[in-house]
Amino acid sequence: SAVISQKPSRDICQRGTSLTIQCQVDSQVTMMFWYRQQPGQSLTLIATANQGSEATYESGFVIDKFPISRPNLTFSTLTVSNMSPEDSSIYLCSVPSGRSSDTQYFGPGTRLTVL
Amino acid sequence: GQNIDQPTEMTATEGAIVQINCTYQTSGFNGLFWYQQHAGEAPTFLSYNVLDGLEEKGRFSSFLSRSKGYSYLLLKELQMKDSASYLCAVRGFGGGSYIPTFGRGTSLIVHP
Repeated sequence: SAVISQKPSRDICQRGTSLTIQCQVDSQVTMMFWYRQQPGQSLTLIATANQGSEATYESGFVIDKFPISRPNLTFSTLTVSNMSPEDSSIYLCSVPSGRSSDTQYFGPGTRLTVL
Repeated sequence: GQNIDQPTEMTATEGAIVQINCTYQTSGFNGLFWYQQHAGEAPTFLSYNVLDGLEEKGRFSSFLSRSKGYSYLLLKELQMKDSASYLCAVRGFGGGSYIPTFGRGTSLIVHP
């Protein structure tokens, strides 16, 4: 199984600022996914981070608000820009398991509170 | 699009059996997943169904009926540590739908 770490584990930020979340995987993976989990809500896919190309964003999410970097096959960052209280959420990165069922491994998440 | 429905919350007694239902509507079907998520932790994979029927794995079993768009997760011999949120996720076909869509999760509370 893949071991995924995220930094920071939690943060409290002021409105209008930006926060960059890091995701590190202990093995090389082609795709990395970024999710948001708002209180009482489901996991919502923000984007797929592809190494060597631009991230693919889901409907409702844009690059200006959530820029993503993927410099190599084990690392990715997600930036939450110009934050507002509505961005308060848990942000998780995830990678495919590589098994035939194509399940996913999730990182521990970053709990973000925007004041 | 995909629509997934599961109860918001359930309670059960330690040692009992509980069944968590999930209904879905998808454009195509390519697998249904159940994940467990303890408060403040990452979701962890429990089961995967792609064909109709029951998949048993220890105290946990998962059932799928594709014709009814229905699945359930069955937890036997409940333990206090089973208190968690249980997420149903469905993967469809095409349009980049490699990634499953998650339901809102069912919060299970196990009490003594």
